[in-house]
Amino acid sequence: GQNIDQPTEMTATEGAIVQINCTYQTSGFNGLFWYQQHAGEAPTFLSYNVLDGLEEKGRFSSFLSRSKGYSYLLLKELQMKDSASYLCAVRGSTGANNLFFGTGTRLTVIP
Amino acid sequence: DGGITQSPKYLFRKEGQNVTLSCEQNLNHDAMYWYRQDPGQGLRLIYYSQIVNDFQKGDIAEGYSVSREKKESFPLTVTSAQKNPTAFYLCASRRTSGRGNTGELFFGEGSRLTVL
Repeated sequence: GQNIDQPTEMTATEGAIVQINCTYQTSGFNGLFWYQQHAGEAPTFLSYNVLDGLEEKGRFSSFLSRSKGYSYLLLKELQMKDSASYLCAVRGSTGANNLFFGTGTRLTVIP
Repeated sequence: DGGITQSPKYLFRKEGQNVTLSCEQNLNHDAMYWYRQDPGQGLRLIYYSQIVNDFQKGDIAEGYSVSREKKESFPLTVTSAQKNPTAFYLCASRRTSGRGNTGELFFGEGSRLTVL
């Protein structure tokens, strides 16, 4: 089976740094994705990790530890527009290599 | 610009009616997907198609049907057999081959279906 856990809600202050964690237990692993989704809109791709380590992309970074089944998304210099849901998704390595999504973490940035 | 177009954006349906949601992509992607999103739940896979004229059930296919007659199009029909159809429906596509391809999903803007 597939199990992906991430916190339901987080609040952080504008200009600060926030880390959103994701733990997973899946049958097979072929990459982990982070998506951003503003309310009522489509998810947009943020990052992809398939090997252990940190991937940095501007203000956003994503980390993966395959042995621990763990990832985090790090957002620096938070802006009000970063208020959104952040979805963690894992691609399995069997069948059609479909993505399995966590429930998402709703981040609220306050002034 | 390439992308995925879903229509309609909002749809109201009476109980007992079938409704079809449109999804069109011009990204030349082979694989297409339909997800359902409910409050407090992750995206759940309804159906997917990896190639024209072929599609597979996802985790919650009951009460839904799809077709894939063209590479660009993957419409979803929500039938009267679907017991709780009110939800936000997302269509997605992805490239399945190519150098450096991460295979990330590209999503449409979504269709919000409300059953009255």
